[in-house]
Amino acid sequence: DTGVSQNPRHKITKRGQNVTFRCDPISEHNRLYWYRQTLGQGPEFLTYFQNEAQLEKSRLLSDRFSAERPKGSFSTLEIQRTEQGDSAMYLCASSLSGAEGYTFGSGTRLTVV
Amino acid sequence: GEDVEQSLFLSVREGDSSVINCTYTDSSSTYLYWYKQEPGAGLQLLTYIFSNMDMKQDQRLTVLLNKKDKHLSLRIADTQTGDSAIYFCAETPPTGANNLFFGTGTRLTVIP
Repeated sequence: DTGVSQNPRHKITKRGQNVTFRCDPISEHNRLYWYRQTLGQGPEFLTYFQNEAQLEKSRLLSDRFSAERPKGSFSTLEIQRTEQGDSAMYLCASSLSGAEGYTFGSGTRLTVV
Repeated sequence: GEDVEQSLFLSVREGDSSVINCTYTDSSSTYLYWYKQEPGAGLQLLTYIFSNMDMKQDQRLTVLLNKKDKHLSLRIADTQTGDSAIYFCAETPPTGANNLFFGTGTRLTVIP
């Protein structure tokens, strides 16, 4: 297992378009998290899955954002009708119990033009 | 809400010790974490400390926790140029929720 994998690494899109990112967590990790990181800031929590169940969502996750983890393995994060303010690094992380900390992926950098 | 604060920048000479400080507001946090982020990369977990401990050492890294003052520090001994990165502290929220709250990060620059 090579860790948490995110695709694509970079995405440039025009305002108003929809984008989808994928995260493949460490295979034995049942917990999966999405975070957003803007320049000069720490990561901000978006949402959390335990297996296929989405158990927590941040108020940052507007109705244009949707995340799924259909089989409890990989996850997708979709942003509809992108806005320039959505430009950020989107980070995925996974963990087994949470207490030991997460393993982060390298992120998907989104630029909305 | 939770508020994790860090100074933005730190410069040290190669071979010296670095001390990165963090203050947090939630005294009921159970775990506190230090992550490292290199340019263009995700975050790498360096170490974590349980709230009933006051010190943890792991090779060149020493974490000190002062619960009374809600102060966490990370000491890196014999700092190397490869330690140049942004360092984030993070805390667990009190509510039993499963997310972490991160500070804004401290950019460590190691001068050869």
